[in-house]
Amino acid sequence: QVQLQESGPGLVKPSQTLSLTCTVSGDSISSDSYYWSWVRQPAGKGLEWIGRVYIGGNTNYSPSLESRVTLSVDTSKNQFSLKVTSVTAADTAVYYCARETIPSGYFDYWGQGTLVTVSS
Amino acid sequence: DIVMTQSPDSLAVSLGERATINCKSSQSVLYRSNTKNYLAWFQQKAGQPPRLLIYWASTRASGVPDRFSGSGSGTNFTLTISSLQAEDVAVYYCQQYYNTPRTFGQGTKVEIK
Repeated sequence: QVQLQESGPGLVKPSQTLSLTCTVSGDSISSDSYYWSWVRQPAGKGLEWIGRVYIGGNTNYSPSLESRVTLSVDTSKNQFSLKVTSVTAADTAVYYCARETIPSGYFDYWGQGTLVTVSS
Repeated sequence: DIVMTQSPDSLAVSLGERATINCKSSQSVLYRSNTKNYLAWFQQKAGQPPRLLIYWASTRASGVPDRFSGSGSGTNFTLTISSLQAEDVAVYYCQQYYNTPRTFGQGTKVEIK
């Protein structure tokens, strides 16, 4: 059974960098059959796609976040990571990691989500 | 970006009755070379992550009850719950995976009347 688990600080100060990691179990992150993605959800609001990373290093980002976001993969730990720089209160949200199938493209597995609050 | 618009924003349905949610995309998500609609539906219960219900607009994901069905093509899609159960109270989202950035509808909240 595939499982994804987000981890990282729950509180980040404004202007600093938000860093989260998603640990994958039950599957190899080195598989060429998936993209590894991040989606966020502010409290009481809808879902926003942040971006995705492929094992080969290819990435795609949301245009609205592209200048501040970096995704990466660590095959030795079966993890992938998200960094968002220069955060503001608008970046406060529950952050989900998810697996996207290739070549189909739909999200079939999600992590439980982790709340990140941006506040001084 | 493809804009996904759902209607209604919320609906209240009696137990055992039908619930219908609509989703419209700002451009077609039908890929003509394989005649597939790149459209998924998700269910999100309070405090939980989204759960994949439907992909390819009408294919139920593993373990999804057959009271959930998806239909539509091109730019207009529908999610139907044929007989609403108490455990179906949730917010439902449509999402296109035709291109990037991936985009979601704003969500439809389903409650019991």
